[in-house]
Amino acid sequence: NAGVTQTPKFRVLKTGQSMTLLCAQDMNHEYMYWYRQDPGMGLRLIHYSVGEGTTAKGEVPDGYNVSRLKKQNFLLGLESAAPSQTSVYFCASSYSTGQAKAFFGQGTRLTVV
Amino acid sequence: GESVGLHLPTLSVQEGDNSIINCAYSNSASDYFIWYKQESGKGPQFIIDIRSNMDKRQGQRVTVLLNKTVKHLSLQIAATQPGDSAVYFCAENIRDTGRRALTFGSGTRLQVQP
Repeated sequence: NAGVTQTPKFRVLKTGQSMTLLCAQDMNHEYMYWYRQDPGMGLRLIHYSVGEGTTAKGEVPDGYNVSRLKKQNFLLGLESAAPSQTSVYFCASSYSTGQAKAFFGQGTRLTVV
Repeated sequence: GESVGLHLPTLSVQEGDNSIINCAYSNSASDYFIWYKQESGKGPQFIIDIRSNMDKRQGQRVTVLLNKTVKHLSLQIAATQPGDSAVYFCAENIRDTGRRALTFGSGTRLQVQP
């Protein structure tokens, strides 16, 4: 049982470049989330999805876009990377609303230079 | 306790002692809480959860206490082991918001001394 899988695990981008982070879950969860974690801080919600074909903004959505074309996948896109987007990105999924424990992936460490 | 910025509060305990990690929340509409453990280089891992209609819940070696009067949550770890060394986050679900996701605190680092 793989759970939540994120790819890639590490990436270095130049300012202005674009990239897509992929999250896949095999637990048939309805809800999926993207968080970012900065040094010494908790996780901040970027975007989330309550089901296939739906997305919604979280606390810090600017500079990111997401898509949920398939139930098992949730993609996070950076159209024009900025140094302020250097962070560790975590994907998570859960059965239902926020009132359910979320399972997290191992994270993607992104550096924008 | 909670902290903002680069300096996580750190709790240092001796192996075998009990640990108590605290979390304050500010929103009285929060109705569900989770404690997560995050080891270095890994994603957060679920430890235990509690709903707002409860004030205590026990798991294996862990207990979560909820005091809604003072908006305080604590995680108690019995007989702390070196493998318990990690950063611990509390997370809450805020009922009144349209956003259906957990809100995380900034974490507490637990260091277990052998």
